[in-house]
Amino acid sequence: KAGVTQTPRYLIKTRGQQVTLSCSPISGHRSVSWYQQTPGQGLQFLFEYFSETQRNKGNFPGRFSGRQFSNSRSEMNVSTLELGDSALYLCASSLGTTFTDTQYFGPGTRLTVL
Amino acid sequence: AQSVTQPDIHITVSEGASLELRCNYSYGATPYLFWYVQSPGQGLQLLLKYFSGDTLVQGIKGFEAEFKRSQSSFNLRKPSVHWSDAAEYFCAVGAPDSWGKFQFGAGTQVVVTP
Repeated sequence: KAGVTQTPRYLIKTRGQQVTLSCSPISGHRSVSWYQQTPGQGLQFLFEYFSETQRNKGNFPGRFSGRQFSNSRSEMNVSTLELGDSALYLCASSLGTTFTDTQYFGPGTRLTVL
Repeated sequence: AQSVTQPDIHITVSEGASLELRCNYSYGATPYLFWYVQSPGQGLQLLLKYFSGDTLVQGIKGFEAEFKRSQSSFNLRKPSVHWSDAAEYFCAVGAPDSWGKFQFGAGTQVVVTP
């Protein structure tokens, strides 16, 4: 069974631009969560989608948004990029039907903002 | 709100020696507890998880963890470390009222010496 895939793996942008990251979950998984990982703040939860609906969100500004498609693939968008947005963005997929469902993580997208 | 503390930022261990990584959590009810490992440039791989039942949990790669409610701890152990165990280890807690959102500890970097 293929794992979680994220594209692109690496991205370089400049301040003020916007960026879209993509996540394809494991086949059959309907939940996708997004995390930001930085050396200073560690792993922080951004949001979670299930069946095209956002069910949960973390404490990030509105510049961070996401969506999920009918095939469960998810995209995350960051508008008006800031230097502090440089991070590894991880997505995780799960069945999403119970709270005990394990989250399986992708390799991440490394975003660098110059 | 739940929280997770990993007191040790960095641990150095000799190959063949035993390893114990500490994790303390704060949560009102029985939490869902996880240990993940992250190798450089990679996403997170699940080592083991605890929801209920037997408090000693066996995971992959020879790891085990013990849930101690009285100490609010979920420490990870391995009897004999291999050089390939060098990585960063994260303890995480999930809650039954929070879809997709795990609270991660700051991580413990493990260095294995010959």
